[in-house]
Amino acid sequence: EAGVAQSPRYKIIEKRQSVAFWCNPISGHATLYWYQQILGQGPKLLIQFQNNGVVDDSQLPKDRFSAERLKGVDSTLKIQPAKLEDSAVYLCASSFGPSATDTQYFGPGTRLTVL
Amino acid sequence: EDQVTQSPEALRLQEGESSSLNCSYTVSGLRGLFWYRQDPGKGPEFLFTLYSAGEEKEKERLKATLTKKESFLHITAPKPEDSATYLCAVQASNTGKLIFGQGTTLQVKP
Repeated sequence: EAGVAQSPRYKIIEKRQSVAFWCNPISGHATLYWYQQILGQGPKLLIQFQNNGVVDDSQLPKDRFSAERLKGVDSTLKIQPAKLEDSAVYLCASSFGPSATDTQYFGPGTRLTVL
Repeated sequence: EDQVTQSPEALRLQEGESSSLNCSYTVSGLRGLFWYRQDPGKGPEFLFTLYSAGEEKEKERLKATLTKKESFLHITAPKPEDSATYLCAVQASNTGKLIFGQGTTLQVKP
């Protein structure tokens, strides 16, 4: 079974530039998550989708971050404009459903460096 | 406020030297407690889910236990390949989202 795919794996940009990350979840998984992991910390949920609807985006900085999940499959996360403090690994995860019995499986992440 | 604290932050063991990692949590109704392993440059890899106090789960050299306030990940006779960061997370029943601790970085020397 193919895992969660993410691209690109690495991205370096200047502050105030924009960047986009792509995620393809495990086939059949209705729930998709984007996490931000700053070096030395655990992942922090940014946004959760159930099919193509947003379930939780309470920790998404909406003035600069946006995310969409068209057709309930692939998802993109965008940052515009980027700040130095956005340097982190952005992890995508998916699960069959949103309950505790539905394990979240993570992709390899995209490491973003903002200069 | 829902919170997860892991200790120690870093742990160095000799191969074969057993030890335990701690995960303390405060949450408004626990749906589940999760342990993940994360290798450098990779995403977290699922290990266990525990649902209620007293529950235990095992996988190879790892054993996870759960009480009402904390969870332990016991590592028996570790090998160098067990070196990784171990992450603990809780899912609260009122929000449903995972809240992660900061992780414990384990290094096992041969």
